[in-house]
Parts: sequence; structure tokens; C-alpha cells
Amino acid sequence: QLQLQESGPGLVKPSETLSLTCTVSGDSSSRSSFNWGWIRQPPGKGLEWIGTVYDSGSPFYNPSLKSRVTISVDTSKNQFSLNLSSVTAADTAVYYCARHVGTGHWDVWGKGTTVTASS
Amino acid sequence: QSVLTQPPSVSGAPGQRVTISCTGSSSNIGAGYDVHWYRQLPGTAPKLLIYANNKRPSGVPDRFSASKSGTSASLAISELQGEDEAYYYCQSYDTGLSGSVFGEGTKVTVL
Repeated sequence: QLQLQESGPGLVKPSETLSLTCTVSGDSSSRSSFNWGWIRQPPGKGLEWIGTVYDSGSPFYNPSLKSRVTISVDTSKNQFSLNLSSVTAADTAVYYCARHVGTGHWDVWGKGTTVTASS
Repeated sequence: QSVLTQPPSVSGAPGQRVTISCTGSSSNIGAGYDVHWYRQLPGTAPKLLIYANNKRPSGVPDRFSASKSGTSASLAISELQGEDEAYYYCQSYDTGLSGSVFGEGTKVTVL
């Protein structure tokens, strides 16, 4: 069974870069030919799509974050990562990594990691 | 930033049926893109409940059903149980975002 696990600092200073890694484990046949991405949820609010890296390698980002976001995949390590630069308090959220099926649904999620942007 | 509109809350007694609406536009649901639904229990990650408008992943009981029409979709929960208390989110693809868009979420309360 495929599992995803987020890791990274829980506290980031304003203006610095938030960096998270998602490690994929389990059924190896469930890793290839899929897309991977990140979704976040500010405290008490709904879900916001951050971006997706497609199997082709092409990334697509939420336009509201595009200038600050980079998502990359390291297949040799079974990991993909999120970098979000110039963070502010508005970036405080639970960050989830997940598997994205085509341009459709997200079928496997990590447990989420809380990131607080504060000095 | 949500462009999919859901009611903030719905409630029902145990055993009853409740429905949650999800209203989009011509750039997402109305453009023919599939609608998917997730359930989120407090403090946990969202879990896929319905995909491709009306398909249930393995393990999801048939008490959960969904449909899509025009620029809207709906999720129905029949035989409401206490364990159904959660937030429910709809999701689709939006051409303006070139990516996923989520609804604002609906809290289901079992009276």
C-alpha cells in the first residue's frame, strides 16, 4: 500500500524559504506514471492547491503562489519536495503531499505537517 | 480563493439523508471536468470519498453517493451515522488555475 510522509521544519521565519520533503514508500508499482503535488490548509480554513508535478516532469503551480513556489521530484530517492520562498504569516498552514491522478482526484495523502511562519 | 461554493454546514438526525451542494462555473464543473469529494475528520488528512463524479473507492460504503449536472454537483449521505460528522470538500479542475480547485468545505453535524 502506498504511503506518503511529509518532513521538514515546523517553524520558518518571515521572508525565509519553507522547504518540505515528501517520501513515498510502499507499492513501487503505484509510484510510476503518476503525478505528485502539495496542498495546504491554513488554520480553520479550507484546502488550497499549491502545485502538481506531472509524470512528464512539467510542474503547474497555483497562480497565486507561482512566483514563490518550486516543486521538484527525485525519483532515485522516492521523494518530491516543496520550496516556498519569502514566507509570511499567511503561509502558516498544514501542508499535505499527495498523489494526483491525472488532472483529477487526489487519492493518496500524507498525514500533513504543520508549518508556522513566525519570528 | 475557492471558486467552488459549498454550504458552510448541514445537519441531520441519525438515519436521515443529507445532501451537500457544490456550485462551480464554466471554467471548472461547467466545462465538463469531473468532481471529486473528500471527507476530513478533525486533525486528520482529507480522505477520498468519491471520484469522477460518482465513483466510490474501495471501502467507501454505498451510503455515500454523488452526482453532477451542469455547473453543480452534490454529495448525498444516507442513513446518517455519528461517524459521518466531519468536513466534506468538493474538488475539480479549473482552467483559470490550470490546476485543482477545492470547495470551501461543509461541516456535517449529526444531531
